Amino acid sequence: EVQLVESGGGLVKPGGSLRISCAASGFSFSSYTMNWVRQAPGKGLEWVSCISSGSTYMYYADSVKGRFTISRDNARKSLYLQMNSLRADDTAVYYCARSVVPGTVAENWLDPWGQGTLVTVSS
Amino acid sequence: DIQMTQSPSSVSASVGDRVTITCRASQGISSWLAWYQQKPGKAPKLLIYAASSLESGVPSRFSGSGSGTDFTLTVSSLQPEDFATYYCLQANSFPYTFGQGTKLEIK
Repeated sequence: EVQLVESGGGLVKPGGSLRISCAASGFSFSSYTMNWVRQAPGKGLEWVSCISSGSTYMYYADSVKGRFTISRDNARKSLYLQMNSLRADDTAVYYCARSVVPGTVAENWLDPWGQGTLVTVSS
Repeated sequence: DIQMTQSPSSVSASVGDRVTITCRASQGISSWLAWYQQKPGKAPKLLIYAASSLESGVPSRFSGSGSGTDFTLTVSSLQPEDFATYYCLQANSFPYTFGQGTKLEIK
């Protein structure tokens, strides 16, 4: 069974940093592009970032560019999001999601998704 | 960036009704559009990909159509479990963008 489990969320002060993780199982992790998508409380979905299977390509939403860094460890089957200079509007549930088609970066759907981890930025 | 305009933002309907949700892209995205269903406290679930392809295991009452800039999701006969929020996603180019969502409520 394909499974994605996020962890590392919590409460952080404005201007602070946090790294969240996503542990993958049930599929060949190293073959797929992986994504982060977030959802602020009561709001819609916002795609945040993606990283290609071999970490060659990384893309970011304008809202996080220069502050967030996506990375992965294929040996550990894990995806990460390093979040720096956090702001109140970064408060959200962060989901990791796999791209559907292996070996491609763009033009690719997101499925499945993890259950999400909540990041709260507040003083 | 490509903007996705989804409408309506909410709709009230009854079991058995037919409902249509639309998404319009700010520029052509060919058929690089997906539809997701999200229930409270849960992760989104893929329903339709490539604008009109039904994801495995999704009931056939869900259908998608469109290409270029205009897309629709139709639920032909609403069931109680279909009351949720629906989002479109453009996967034509980065950054990927979602529509604002449509909350489907019971009348």
